Amino acid sequence: SQQGEEDPQALSIQEGENATMNCSYKTSINNLQWYRQNSGRGLVHLILIRSNEREKHSGRLRVTLDTSKKSSSLLITASRAADTASYFCATANAGGTSYGKLTFGQGTILTVHP
Amino acid sequence: DAGVIQSPRHEVTEMGQEVTLRCKPISGHDYLFWYRQTMMRGLELLIYFNNNVPIDDSGMPEDRFSAKMPNASFSTLKIQPSEPRDSAVYFCASSLSRLETQYFGPGTRLLVL
Repeated sequence: SQQGEEDPQALSIQEGENATMNCSYKTSINNLQWYRQNSGRGLVHLILIRSNEREKHSGRLRVTLDTSKKSSSLLITASRAADTASYFCATANAGGTSYGKLTFGQGTILTVHP
Repeated sequence: DAGVIQSPRHEVTEMGQEVTLRCKPISGHDYLFWYRQTMMRGLELLIYFNNNVPIDDSGMPEDRFSAKMPNASFSTLKIQPSEPRDSAVYFCASSLSRLETQYFGPGTRLLVL
């Protein structure tokens, strides 16, 4: 099964609204990363949050991490039509044979209507 | 820097043919990753290299798949013989270290008829 599970699978909002996407995972992680993928394109890295961090900001993006609940959230404030894309969380395993291996979730499809 | 470069961008082939996908990582990156993305299975790590050496190929689906990295600036993923179920988008990514940000190429969209 996927290490990172995103919720919701799809999100549709109006321009200017905030968008929140959640990610849950199962095993210990070194860090958690969020990526964006526009239709037909490669993935673009948005933000990385380490296991000892709780919150991180980058422009209109805010990421939180709760290691006790094994969950993370990505908040996009004041959304724009250009934010329309799929968003993936990826977890970097903390140890064992999969140390550092990135495991991606199935993604959240975000649609921002102008 | 041009970013990660992949070729071809699109490939249509017939079942049984050999397919070779190519990747040029970002200069100076020590890690190179091959992923496959499908609607059913999402994004899966196939194999990754560190300093041109394959480290983990546990994601390679079967013996029909092979990957090489003859030098720091070039890697190939080969499928021989190809099957319709191999149809997917194949991404190459590179990073400075195993735990850090991965930079993805634009992908190769493979269709096996």
